[in-house]
Amino acid sequence: RKEVEQDPGPFNVPEGATVAFNCTYSNSASQSFFWYRQDCRKEPKLLMSVYSSGNEDGRFTAQLNRASQYISLLIRDSKLSDSATYLCVVNRNYGNFNKFYFGSGTKLNVKP
Amino acid sequence: EAGVVQSPRYKIIEKKQPVAFWCNPISGHNTLYWYLQNLGQGPELLIRYENEEAVDDSQLPKDRFSAERLKGVDSTLKIQPAELGDSAVYLCASRRDSSRYLLSNQPQHFGDGTRLSIL
Repeated sequence: RKEVEQDPGPFNVPEGATVAFNCTYSNSASQSFFWYRQDCRKEPKLLMSVYSSGNEDGRFTAQLNRASQYISLLIRDSKLSDSATYLCVVNRNYGNFNKFYFGSGTKLNVKP
Repeated sequence: EAGVVQSPRYKIIEKKQPVAFWCNPISGHNTLYWYLQNLGQGPELLIRYENEEAVDDSQLPKDRFSAERLKGVDSTLKIQPAELGDSAVYLCASRRDSSRYLLSNQPQHFGDGTRLSIL
């Protein structure tokens, strides 16, 4: 079983729509969580960290459910520029070092 | 703050040739990562450095891949000889990571990557 699993999509949505992605992780010892955005032929860029209480950054809301071992990303009022692949990243601590696990990404296409 | 710098951006070589990639991490970031990313997949770790020490190289194909991080700053990743299946994007990332930040929310920051094509 993969450490981090995501629905690959693509999610095709019209401008202005609300869209949500989920990501599940396999190890309950995972400690910190992130969403990265990756544009075509570009590097991953940090979109937002995910905090236990949930957090919001403009149109983006991230939630963490430790009991069910999933995190979510909600995008409200989708823009054409939101079209990208969204990578779920989980960080686990092994005592004296951390290790990051990446999902395969969820592709979002926002259409006019 | 300057980001992670990688070079070259693109490299096209024939199979069995050697190739090298270079990475300069963000200043002050002691942890450096090399990842391989295939189309439609997330990055896969090849090797991680804590300062100049390679602390996780379990996924590095050591028969043909090597890496070094002299003086704990810049790093190079080498493939010799390259095979057709090595065509991918090679990403370098860095992170500020010390015993004080082990439980913190420090993310990784990525360079632009090197897109390698093997003919």
